[in-house]
Amino acid sequence: DAGVIQSPRHEVTEMGQEVTLRCKPISGHNSLFWYRQTMMRGLELLIYFNNNVPIDDSGMPEDRFSAKMPNASFSTLKIQPSEPRDSAVYFCASSLQENTEAFFGQGTRLTVV
Amino acid sequence: KNEVEQSPQNLTAQEGEFITINCSYSVGISALHWLQQHPGGGIVSLFMLSSGKKKHGRLIATINIQEKHSSLHITASHPRDSAVYICAVSSYGGSQGNLIFGKGTKLSVKP
Repeated sequence: DAGVIQSPRHEVTEMGQEVTLRCKPISGHNSLFWYRQTMMRGLELLIYFNNNVPIDDSGMPEDRFSAKMPNASFSTLKIQPSEPRDSAVYFCASSLQENTEAFFGQGTRLTVV
Repeated sequence: KNEVEQSPQNLTAQEGEFITINCSYSVGISALHWLQQHPGGGIVSLFMLSSGKKKHGRLIATINIQEKHSSLHITASHPRDSAVYICAVSSYGGSQGNLIFGKGTKLSVKP
C-alpha cells in the first residue's frame, strides 16, 4: 500500500482565499485524523472520523475550518477564508480501527500571505 | 502545565552514544506513542505501548504506568537517527489517533 497520501505537499495562498487540503487514507482503514503542526503549539488534533462520521471536532479552531469525509477513501479539510495565522503543516493520519496505531501522511505545508 | 512533558528539548550526541529521551504525562492513558519526525517533515510511528517494554532494532521504549513515565532509548546512535522525537498519549477511553502530543525532543547525532 502507498500509505496515507496527502495533496498538495505545499500550498501558498493569499489571505482571504479558500484552501482545500486532501487526504487519501490507507485502504481498509476506518479512522481518519487531521492534525496541525505549528512552531508555537506543536502538533494538535483538529478532527477525526470513524467510518466516515466525524466523532470529535473540538480541535477545529474556528468556523472557517471544515472537514468532510464523503467516502472511505477520501477526506478534505477546507479553510475559508484563510488567514496568515493558519500557516502550518497539516497532517492526515489513518488507522485500521479507533484503538490501533495511526499512520501519518507526509503533510501539507500551508503558507498564507 | 502541559499534559505531556518531554525532556530534554534538545540533545546533541556523538555517534555511538547511548541516548535516552524521557516523557512524563499527567492524564490517564490507554496507550503511549513514540513518533519520529525527520527534517523533511514526515512523521513515522515508532512504538505504541501500554505496558512494559518494546524493542525494534536499536530502539527501545519503556513505560511505567504507575509513575506515568516513558523512556525512549537509542543504542549505538548514528547520524541518521537525527530527528525530532515526539511522545504522545491516547487518553483513556479515547481513540488511538486522538493524541495529546509533547513538544518533541530534537536529537542531533554528530559523526
